[in-house]
Amino acid sequence: GDSVTQMEGPVTLSEEAFLTINCTYTATGYPSLFWYVQYPGEGLQLLLKATKADDKGSNKGFEATYRKETTSFHLEKGSVQVSDSAVYFCALSDPPYSSASKIIFGSGTRLSIRP
Amino acid sequence: ETGVTQTPRHLVMGMTNKKSLKCEQHLGHNAMYWYKQSAKKPLELMFVYSLEERVENNSVPSRFSPECPNSSHLFLHLHTLQPEDSALYLCASSQDARTSGGTGELFFGEGSRLTVL
Repeated sequence: GDSVTQMEGPVTLSEEAFLTINCTYTATGYPSLFWYVQYPGEGLQLLLKATKADDKGSNKGFEATYRKETTSFHLEKGSVQVSDSAVYFCALSDPPYSSASKIIFGSGTRLSIRP
Repeated sequence: ETGVTQTPRHLVMGMTNKKSLKCEQHLGHNAMYWYKQSAKKPLELMFVYSLEERVENNSVPSRFSPECPNSSHLFLHLHTLQPEDSALYLCASSQDARTSGGTGELFFGEGSRLTVL
């Protein structure tokens, strides 16, 4: 079946460091891909998305490119801030036209940024 | 503010109690979901309602009983829970991708933190 695999955390970085969180997927169709973020004490929020191959999603300085050839959707940010400390979830929606969205989530990667 | 409101935010209950979690969405979506988030476990999809009909029930124990009276409201009725049911329960909504042509991304509430003693 469809699945999402993302790097295990926790990931600890210093402020202004470069961030990469790896995410790969398996899917039978042509899924949409998402990154969600969960700040402490809150629910999940959509961070960015991409709906087809080579699309780049971006938001708040974060970027991820839909790579069909490598079935990947890695999250990157050039310079992280303390406020980016959160849990990040990679997810896919497959099939995209079902009667109700069936989104498959990765296990989440906890990110901690040191001042 | 995500447009999805969950109450209560925190709930402590004994194993013999009966309580309910409530979710309300103000986004005009037609699908609603309950997820369970436990420490060190992946997000677990519990129930999905689309157009007020339950379309998915992922082998959830009968001590959890969902109710969707209309497209804006979703409840999770709880009775005779176990301590291992302690978790963060997240409600979400989406627009049916088939009718909207969109990607059907989820909009989450802030969750109800449940502790079962």
